[in-house]
Amino acid sequence: SAVISQKPSRDICQRGTSLTIQCQVDSQVTMMFWYRQQPGQSLTLIATANQGSEATYESGFVIDKFPISRPNLTFSTLTVSNLSPEDSSIYLCSVEDQGFQETQYFGPGTRLLVL
Amino acid sequence: TQLLEQSPQFLSIQEGENLTVYCNSSSVFSSLQWYRQEPGEGPVLLVTVVTGGEVKKLKRLTFQFGDARKDSSLHITAAQPGDTGLYLCAGVRSGGSNYKLTFGKGTLLTVNP
Repeated sequence: SAVISQKPSRDICQRGTSLTIQCQVDSQVTMMFWYRQQPGQSLTLIATANQGSEATYESGFVIDKFPISRPNLTFSTLTVSNLSPEDSSIYLCSVEDQGFQETQYFGPGTRLLVL
Repeated sequence: TQLLEQSPQFLSIQEGENLTVYCNSSSVFSSLQWYRQEPGEGPVLLVTVVTGGEVKKLKRLTFQFGDARKDSSLHITAAQPGDTGLYLCAGVRSGGSNYKLTFGKGTLLTVNP
């Protein structure tokens, strides 16, 4: 399994500002994923990030609101732009298992509160 | 419509009791995973099941994948307070993207000492 770290672990932001979340993996992986987990809810996939190409966004999520970078095989960032209280959530990154692509491992998450 | 339905949504039991959590769908999955998420943490993978009818055991936890690969169950024997957490099932649909996980809403388990 992969060891995944996220920064920051939590933050409180003012509406209208942006927050960039970093995800670091201890091994090279092809695909990285970003999820949102709203309070009391399950995980919803925001986008898939491949190194060297643009991220693929799920329905309801757009690049202007959630720009993603994937500069190398061990790192990715997710920015949540123009924050509103509705963006208060846990944001999680994950990576696929290198032996079985359908299994994913998750980071500890970033807890965002927007005031 | 939720692709993966988990039941029960909430479960509160006493230490030592047994319990079963269900994950059901009308769709066929090529694989299904179970995760446990504790407060303040990300989901931690417990098991991946791939073959219809497959049974996997992890200490006091028994996981079963339905014969038709549309459903799964998690049975915990002699539950302990350390088992407390949110249990999530997630699957990859057959014929879909080979990486896109769909999650159920989860079962929030509380084991009281």
